[in-house]
Amino acid sequence: EIVLTQSPGTLSLSPGERATLSCRASQSVTSSYLAWYQQKPGQAPRLLIYGASSRATGIPDRFSGSGSGTDFTLTISRLEPEDFAVYYCQQYGSSPRTFGQGTKVEIK
Amino acid sequence: QLQLQESGPGLVKPSETLSLTCTVSGGSISSSSYYWGWIRQPPGKGLEWIGSIYYSGNTYYNPSFKSRVTISVDTSKNQFSLKLSSVTAADTAVYYCAKAKASLLDHWGQGTLVTVSS
Repeated sequence: EIVLTQSPGTLSLSPGERATLSCRASQSVTSSYLAWYQQKPGQAPRLLIYGASSRATGIPDRFSGSGSGTDFTLTISRLEPEDFAVYYCQQYGSSPRTFGQGTKVEIK
Repeated sequence: QLQLQESGPGLVKPSETLSLTCTVSGGSISSSSYYWGWIRQPPGKGLEWIGSIYYSGNTYYNPSFKSRVTISVDTSKNQFSLKLSSVTAADTAVYYCAKAKASLLDHWGQGTLVTVSS
């Protein structure tokens, strides 16, 4: 099973700042099959990024993903008020599909 | 617009079987392009993939649940279902159903909280 470790656990930033979230895999993620989801309190997660760097439909271009192998990054270029949430990475190249433990982006 | 809605008991006794149904509207569960999955999230914790099913009935289960889980599909009702047996307090969670394309979860239900308690 591929274990995904996200860091930091919590990121305290102000609106307008840049957020950089990390997801590290315990072994190489097949074909960069790495996704990112955003979850707000009381809501289901929403798909942001797939294939490590492709934005899902309707996702603003301030969200970008990068990385390959075992190291992946989600960047939010300028935080908007609606971006404060928990972010999860997920690998879908190997069974079982696994998620990271999440990074909370909170208002500083 | 595709919508998914979970339904089922919110309280299950320890050692019993948790049963949930996901009703899909705004699209056909028989689409050959998608799988349909169950994911859970214990209170205050992260996400865990339980398993998924294709409209033909082919299933994939997370080995962590494999001995206790059954996912089935009813194409006539545009529904798929989850059964998790021998539940304990550790199975208390919000259970989500979702549409999966190549294991990407691009449409989710709102989730339903299931509490395991006597």
